[in-house]
Amino acid sequence: DGGITQSPKYLFRKEGQNVTLSCEQNLNHDAMYWYRQDPGQGLRLIYYSQIVNDFQKGDIAEGYSVSREKKESFPLTVTSAQKNPTAFYLCASSTHSSGVPILAKNIQYFGAGTRLSVL
Amino acid sequence: QKEVEQNSGPLSVPEGAIASLNCTYSDRGSQSFFWYRQYSGKSPELIMSIYSNGDQEDGRFTAQLNKASQYVSLLIRDSQPSDSATYLCAVNIHSGSARQLTFGSGTQLTVLP
Repeated sequence: DGGITQSPKYLFRKEGQNVTLSCEQNLNHDAMYWYRQDPGQGLRLIYYSQIVNDFQKGDIAEGYSVSREKKESFPLTVTSAQKNPTAFYLCASSTHSSGVPILAKNIQYFGAGTRLSVL
Repeated sequence: QKEVEQNSGPLSVPEGAIASLNCTYSDRGSQSFFWYRQYSGKSPELIMSIYSNGDQEDGRFTAQLNKASQYVSLLIRDSQPSDSATYLCAVNIHSGSARQLTFGSGTQLTVLP
């Protein structure tokens, strides 16, 4: 089955601790994204990566870090500098394939999400 | 001014009625528009995409785009209780990367049996 796998489903962070959220995709998509969603709110972009070994800050990158060492993987670390980390974290991906109409390359597909809470 | 705006709702319609969801956006250069459905506690799933002015129909769903007025809407015909969810409008706002999406805050829809 092709898809985007996020783990864990639930995560608890102690004060001062860094935690890492996993995102793996087997869709052969080039671009990957991390969003944060707070209750009753839309999605806010944290980081995105369009190719391996390159990533860009989104609107709310402070307190977060990412890496993109493999095309399939885009882990997100929530650092101790993020003072209000409780939220629903969503990973998404999209393709740059030449076989996809150019406007359709904006379509993003989501994983099931990780719910992070603070102990 | 928010880049993508939606009425937060909640919007309630009786079963079998037409539900109408609206979204306005600020970037006149936007070319791709999407509607995602998000059930409570779940991740968003794409239900419609539209790229040119006019209507795009898929089953009970119709997306409507008016670039001159900078709005995009979603109509759900013969609404079912299973359509009860939050609907997110997403637009590709040009801000550094042509493949970023900006999401509205969502409209919560409840279909009453």
